[in-house]
Formats: sequence, C-alpha cells, structure tokens
Amino acid sequence: EPEVTQTPSHQVTQMGQEVILRCVPISNHLYFYWYRQILGQKVEFLVSFYNNEISEKSEIFDDQFSVERPDGSNFTLKIRSTKLEDSAMYFCASRGALQDLNTEAFFGQGTRLTVV
Amino acid sequence: AQSVTQLGSHVSVSEGALVLLRCNYSSSVPPYLFWYVQYPNQGLQLLLKYTTGATLVKGINGFEAEFKKSETSFHLTKPSAHMSDAAEYFCAVSDRWGDNRLAFGKGNQVVVIP
Repeated sequence: EPEVTQTPSHQVTQMGQEVILRCVPISNHLYFYWYRQILGQKVEFLVSFYNNEISEKSEIFDDQFSVERPDGSNFTLKIRSTKLEDSAMYFCASRGALQDLNTEAFFGQGTRLTVV
Repeated sequence: AQSVTQLGSHVSVSEGALVLLRCNYSSSVPPYLFWYVQYPNQGLQLLLKYTTGATLVKGINGFEAEFKKSETSFHLTKPSAHMSDAAEYFCAVSDRWGDNRLAFGKGNQVVVIP
C-alpha cells in the first residue's frame, strides 16, 4: 500500500541551527502538508502546498520556515534558525490523486525534532 | 475558523467494554469530519470520515461514528474494546474539501485494561 515516508525519525539539533525535515509523499498525490504537534498539545497545521507553491499557511509558519519540492518526489520543511519552542513532532501529509481529488490526507510517521 | 474539542486526554476502558470517545466541533460551514488513530511509533492513520450522505459512518477495526449536526458532535464508538485498540485517537475537522486544512483535537490516549 502506498505510504508517506519521513526522514529522519528523530533529529536533535542545537538552537540556532538550520534543520531540514524530509518527506516523500504518495507519488500521484497533488496536495502536500506539514503539521506539527508540540508535546501535550494539539496537532497544528503549518502549511499546504499545491502546484509548486504554498496555497495556505498558518500564523506559526513565519519567515523561519520554508518548504520546497525540489525534485518532484521529495517535499521538505526547512527551519532556518531553530528555537527551543520548535521542538515538536512534525508530520507530513499528502492527498488528492488527479483521478480522485476527494480523498483524505495520508500522514507519515513523523519526525521528532528536539532543539537543545 | 473551525475547531475541535476532545475532552479527557486519557481514557481507560476494560477489554470487552464499550469504547466512547467524544468529539465536538465548531465550523462556520458544513464540516468534513475525521477520526485518526496513532499507534506507538507510527503515523496518523484514518479510522473513518464523514463528508456527505449517511450520518452513521463505519470505519476500520469495528469503529463507527455518528455525525449529529444539531449537537455539533462526531463521537467515536466501538462496542467491545480489544487490547489492540490501545492508541491515541484524534478527531479532526475541515470545512473545505479542496485544501483540506485539518483542525485537530488534542487527542485521547486510550488504555485498555485486561
């Protein structure tokens, strides 16, 4: 069964460093998302991406964050200068095959980011 | 903006007993509603969804949920809990099918007692 894969599963980084979280969405999907979950809090929407551009972003997704789909398969989230409060589980999701846009989002296993 | 309320972060249920997880939503337009489950060290997996049509929806692993517009609820039930149901359960809502930006509840950690 097709699945969304995320790497790495765990990432520890020092405050102020740049991190890139990687995701391989399901190959025929058209919509891509990043969500995050700070420990003990809700899963929060960060950004959606469609047709090679950001379609929507939340107030969390400030200038420190960026997304890219560099090669038609990977979908990356970059945090330019990490802060302690960026520590969270980050989920990538994809949905919407061309032949059936009305599908639910499929989520990856998440990357646990710890900023020290 | 849409939002979801899930009360009680931890829910304990005896094996064989009814599982009931409550979800109330807020949405300015007709909602699309989802329940996701997360097993340890795994991603979020769709249990079931309501988009249109029948308000009682059945999902995987014997779970079902009923959309009640008058109560703005989408409670999840399973008649008989199994040990394998121990997981975290998230209710989510979106009000646009195109972008499908999801708003999640805080989740319920279900513990099944033998």
